[in-house]
Amino acid sequence: GDSVTQMEGPVTLSEEAFLTINCTYTATGYPSLFWYVQYPGEGLQLLLKATKADDKGSNKGFEATYRKETTSFHLEKGSVQVSDSAVYFCALSPNRDDKIIFGKGTRLHILP
Amino acid sequence: KAGVTQTPRYLIKTRGQQVTLSCSPISGHRSVSWYQQTPGQGLQFLFEYFSETQRNKGNFPGRFSGRQFSNSRSEMNVSTLELGDSALYLCASSPGVGGTSSYNSPLHFGNGTRLTVT
Repeated sequence: GDSVTQMEGPVTLSEEAFLTINCTYTATGYPSLFWYVQYPGEGLQLLLKATKADDKGSNKGFEATYRKETTSFHLEKGSVQVSDSAVYFCALSPNRDDKIIFGKGTRLHILP
Repeated sequence: KAGVTQTPRYLIKTRGQQVTLSCSPISGHRSVSWYQQTPGQGLQFLFEYFSETQRNKGNFPGRFSGRQFSNSRSEMNVSTLELGDSALYLCASSPGVGGTSSYNSPLHFGNGTRLTVT
């Protein structure tokens, strides 16, 4: 069935470092892909999305490109801040009326 | 616009008891989904309701049930609680207009209900 695999955490980086969180997926057809972020004590919120191959989603300095050939949607940020510390979830929506499937989440710690 | 509201924020129950969690979606949103979040399994989909009808269901036992009211508010119920049911339960809403619920409309999550079963 459809699934999402993302890198295990926690990931610990120093402020201003470059961030990559890997995400690969398995799905039939052409799913939409998402990154959600969960800050401490809160629910998830949408960070960015891409709905077709080669689309690039971006928000708050984060970017991810929908790569159909490698079935990947890696999250990147050029210079992280302490305020980026959170849990990041990669997710896919297989088709129009189906549920969103989430990866297990990657906890990110940014040190000042 | 008010966000998704979940009540209560914290619950402590004993094995064998039953519990009801409540979710009020964003005004105008007709789709409500429920997820269970645990450190080991991540986010697991429980069910989704749209216009009072269950549209999707995850792989959870029948002890987990839900419903949606005409004002789109939703409740989920867990009967005969087990220790393994301890988790953060998240509710999410989306506009769900015209059957294009999750595809084009992001989910808006509440802050969750933390359930501890002792």
